[in-house]
Amino acid sequence: EVQLVESGGGLVQPGRSMKLSCAASGFTFNNYDMAWVCQAPKKGLEWVATISYDGSSTYYRDSVKGRFTISRDNAKSTLYLQMDSLRSEDTATYYCASATDRDYFDYWGQGVMVTVSS
Amino acid sequence: DIQMTQSPASLSASLGETVTIECRASEDIYNGLAWYQQKPGKSPQLLIYNANSLHTGVPSRFSGSGSGTQYSLKINSLQSEDVASYFCQQYYDYPPTFGAGTKLELK
Repeated sequence: EVQLVESGGGLVQPGRSMKLSCAASGFTFNNYDMAWVCQAPKKGLEWVATISYDGSSTYYRDSVKGRFTISRDNAKSTLYLQMDSLRSEDTATYYCASATDRDYFDYWGQGVMVTVSS
Repeated sequence: DIQMTQSPASLSASLGETVTIECRASEDIYNGLAWYQQKPGKSPQLLIYNANSLHTGVPSRFSGSGSGTQYSLKINSLQSEDVASYFCQQYYDYPPTFGAGTKLELK
């Protein structure tokens, strides 16, 4: 059974940093591209970033370019999202998801809440 | 970015009814469309990909259709467990973009 378990969320002040983790199991992690998708409270879904199966390629939405870094450790089957210079508009639930080669998302974690507020 | 417009924003239907949700793309997305179901308090789950292919384990009462810029999700014989929000997503072009969602409730 595919399992994606996020951790690392919470309350953070504007301008500060936070790092999210996603532990994967139940599938061959290093064969899959992975992504982060967020959902602001009571809002829709927004793609944040994608990383290729081997970590060689990364893609970001414009609003997080230069502030967020997606990475992975295939030996630990873990995906990361380093979020720097956080803004109030980054407040959302962040989901880790496995990304197919066509960039739809076939398995999702339970999500982790990030609140950016002073 | 490709804009995805979903309709209706909310929908109320009775058990056993057939429900259709529409999604329109701002340009041709060549069937690069997925549908997700998100139950209250849960994470999204993939239902349909490539506009009309059913994801593993998804009940056959769900179906997708469409082409070009117009796509739809149909739920036959609505069940109580189908109460959820539904989102479309295009993946034909970067960045992947989602519709705003349709909230489905029981009448």
